[in-house]
Amino acid sequence: KQEVTQIPAALSVPEGENLVLNCSFTDSAIYNLQWFRQDPGKGLTSLLLIQSSQREQTSGRLNASLDKSSGRSTLYIAASQPGDSATYLCAVNSGGYQKVTFGTGTKLQVIP
Amino acid sequence: GAGVSQSPSNKVTEKGKDVELRCDPISGHTALYWYRQSLGQGLEFLIYFQGNSAPDKSGLPSDRFSAERTGGSVSTLTIQRTQQEDSAVYLCASSRDRGPYGYTFGSGTRLTVV
Repeated sequence: KQEVTQIPAALSVPEGENLVLNCSFTDSAIYNLQWFRQDPGKGLTSLLLIQSSQREQTSGRLNASLDKSSGRSTLYIAASQPGDSATYLCAVNSGGYQKVTFGTGTKLQVIP
Repeated sequence: GAGVSQSPSNKVTEKGKDVELRCDPISGHTALYWYRQSLGQGLEFLIYFQGNSAPDKSGLPSDRFSAERTGGSVSTLTIQRTQQEDSAVYLCASSRDRGPYGYTFGSGTRLTVV
């Protein structure tokens, strides 16, 4: 059974800092991994999708990497802004709809 | 539509009442999913629709929960005789097909049972 862990559960940083969020998974046989952000009381917004054959994806100030062999993905946020404050979730697709496992998220607060 | 649309965004209901939650997926997305997110918890899979195939209802927590999808598009999640433990955010997502495609989520319906 795939297990997805996100550590830390919460993170507070001053504005302008670069930061890394971590996502670990136990079964390396995955189709893809997707990073989402969730604002309070809102749905999930997709940030980046990395297929199993890829090592990283970039979008603006965000860079996500994937290392299947070690069961890890990181989300790098450059020059953090208060608007980046949200909960960040990773979702691991191990083979179809029922095998998508979500982490419980890292709650990020960027202090002005 | 351009995104996944859910309604209502918020719903407060009395214990024992029935509620209906609606999801309108992205046009052309054949797969539709319902998830539940309780306070401080991860996402719990509820049900999955793929095209005209029979839905996978294995995640529904009790027989008070049901869902349908009409014409392969709009879906309705119905909770009968609501209980306080049903209070949660109900999220709908759609994707192009079953397989290695990403999900697009709606904004969710926050259900509060009082």
